[in-house]
Amino acid sequence: DAKTTQPPSMDCAEGRAANLPCNHSTISGNEYVYWYRQIHSQGPQYIIHGLKNNETNEMASLIITEDRKSSTLILPHATLRDTAVYYCIAATSYDYKLSFGAGTTVTVRA
Amino acid sequence: EPEVTQTPSHQVTQMGQEVILRCVPISNHLYFYWYRQILGQKVEFLVSFYNNEISEKSEIFDDQFSVERPDGSNFTLKIRSTKLEDSAMYFCASSVGGAVNTEAFFGQGTRLTVV
Repeated sequence: DAKTTQPPSMDCAEGRAANLPCNHSTISGNEYVYWYRQIHSQGPQYIIHGLKNNETNEMASLIITEDRKSSTLILPHATLRDTAVYYCIAATSYDYKLSFGAGTTVTVRA
Repeated sequence: EPEVTQTPSHQVTQMGQEVILRCVPISNHLYFYWYRQILGQKVEFLVSFYNNEISEKSEIFDDQFSVERPDGSNFTLKIRSTKLEDSAMYFCASSVGGAVNTEAFFGQGTRLTVV
């Protein structure tokens, strides 16, 4: 699986958009980008995933660059409940496992 | 909303004892997983399970570990002879499809403390 690189931490203001970057410069053509988050040692929670196109769901948007070497997860209106560790993971569609890294600790401040 | 449930939430055991961690996956899911997270460290994959067989396992999942789906609803992780270093949060997960392309739903975890 391609290695992903994320900043260790970031702060954002409540009500503002949170933009979480992820670098995956060695990603292969058949690897998807997945985002999960973990709120205070609870079980990880799926957020979104994508291959090439930008994706949006009720939780977030995923913007993938055209060369697929990086992506950004956007939480449109961050709330205090979005404080969590966010993981960016690259994996193929036939991988059975998720390889979690250290992630980005996002703190949403009032 | 359907959820993965794990019991117990916290288990304390003596070193060398056997422990069984239990999970009830979401009812229509076919693929099941165990992950663990040692305090302050990354979430680590242990094993995936489908059709009563292990699909994939990590190096961590040695002969001390086993998984079973004893009936139509439970999925268990057994550690035969626990060591201090097995102390961790153990997460069960399930998904409809087998690959990570389908959303994996995680339980809230069982905190295992080996003393």
